[in-house]
Parts: sequence; C-alpha cells; structure tokens
Amino acid sequence: AQSVSQHNHHVILSEAASLELGCNYSYGGTVNLFWYVQYPGQHLQLLLKYFSGDPLVKGIKGFEAEFIKSKFSFNLRKPSVQWSDTAEYFCAVIPYSGAGSYQLTFGKGTKLSVIP
Amino acid sequence: DTGVSQDPRHKITKRGQNVTFRCDPISEHNRLYWYRQTLGQGPEFLTYFQNEAQLEKSRLLSDRFSAERPKGSFSTLEIQRTEQGDSAMYLCASSHIAGVGQGEQFFGPGTRLTVL
Repeated sequence: AQSVSQHNHHVILSEAASLELGCNYSYGGTVNLFWYVQYPGQHLQLLLKYFSGDPLVKGIKGFEAEFIKSKFSFNLRKPSVQWSDTAEYFCAVIPYSGAGSYQLTFGKGTKLSVIP
Repeated sequence: DTGVSQDPRHKITKRGQNVTFRCDPISEHNRLYWYRQTLGQGPEFLTYFQNEAQLEKSRLLSDRFSAERPKGSFSTLEIQRTEQGDSAMYLCASSHIAGVGQGEQFFGPGTRLTVL
C-alpha cells in the first residue's frame, strides 16, 4: 500500500517569502501525484498534478512542483507567497494502475500561515 | 454551480442514532468516492463506485457503514448506531475515467458529523 509523508505540520512565512513544502511518498510502481489546497472555509481544490512528462509541473496561482523519481518526492514551491495563500496543503498519490488505483492517499497536510 | 454537492453540510446527532448523507457528483463523472477526514489528518479513503457498482471498501468502513449509488447518479452514505469516534468530516469526490490512468478527483464541501 502507498503512503505519503509531509515534512512540515505548520509553516509560518511573511509575505514575499519563498515557499517549499516537502512531500515524499512510498510506492513501488508508477504513480500520479497531486497537491490539493484547502482555503479556510472552503473545500479541497486541486492545485496541480503530475501524470507524466516534464517533472516540473506548474499549477494555479504561481505554484509549481517538481517530481524527483529517485527520491520519491514531489515538493511544492512558490517564489513569493501572498497573504491569500494562507491555507492547508495536502500532497496525494494514486497508483497509475492495478491495486489501489482508485483511491487517493493523502499526507497529513501542512498548514501555511502567511503574515502580511 | 456544477461541482460536487453534499447534503447536509453539518449534522449533529446523539450516539446510537442513524444518519444518512447524500452526495451529488458532477453529472458526467462515472466514479464516485467517499473519504473521511478527522482533525489533523488528511482525507482517508472509505469506498468508491464505478457507475452503480461499489468496487472497493476500505477496512475503515465497518459493518455499521453502508453506501449506495442507485442508477449511478447520486450516492448515500449511512452510518448506523453512531459512535463518538464517527465524528469527522465526510467528503465525497467524483472523477471521470475514460481509459488508462487516473483522472483528477473533484471534491465536495463535505458533511461535518458530530456525535454527542
């Protein structure tokens, strides 16, 4: 079974600071990778996804993530955060095929607080 | 709004009572998923349907839980004889699978269950 580990439980940054949130997964086969975001009072929304191809993927609102297969990592980055980025961020993985290829496995989430 | 909808948004019940939640997926989506999220955790998979067939259930889904998706449209999740440990946010998601590989899952706002 797959698992996801997010390194930081709570990150506090000032506006304009750079952001990197770590995500590592455990699974022996090919996976699809996602970052979801949950803004206060809102439901989970997809930020970006990796299925195949260029390991550097760009998402909405200036976010990007890099898939490093050798490190089983899919870290999320943003060069300059804004107060409106305050939210909880979840990394998730799903096997490309075979057993479990229907369920997203999520990390525990990282709460980001951006101070104006 | 053509996103995933869930009803009710909040439910408070007494221990031992039965509760039922409803999920309406995005209309053209053939897969529907239920997840549960507790405080400080990411969503955890409960079960999923492809059209009207329930294809997988997590071990988290005890015998007190039952889910249906009649006619492959909306779905219901029923919890019988609720326990305080059932208190959580119940999330529904849907996706469209047309071939190999995993489509993005779109999440609803969730139903927050509180068992007193």
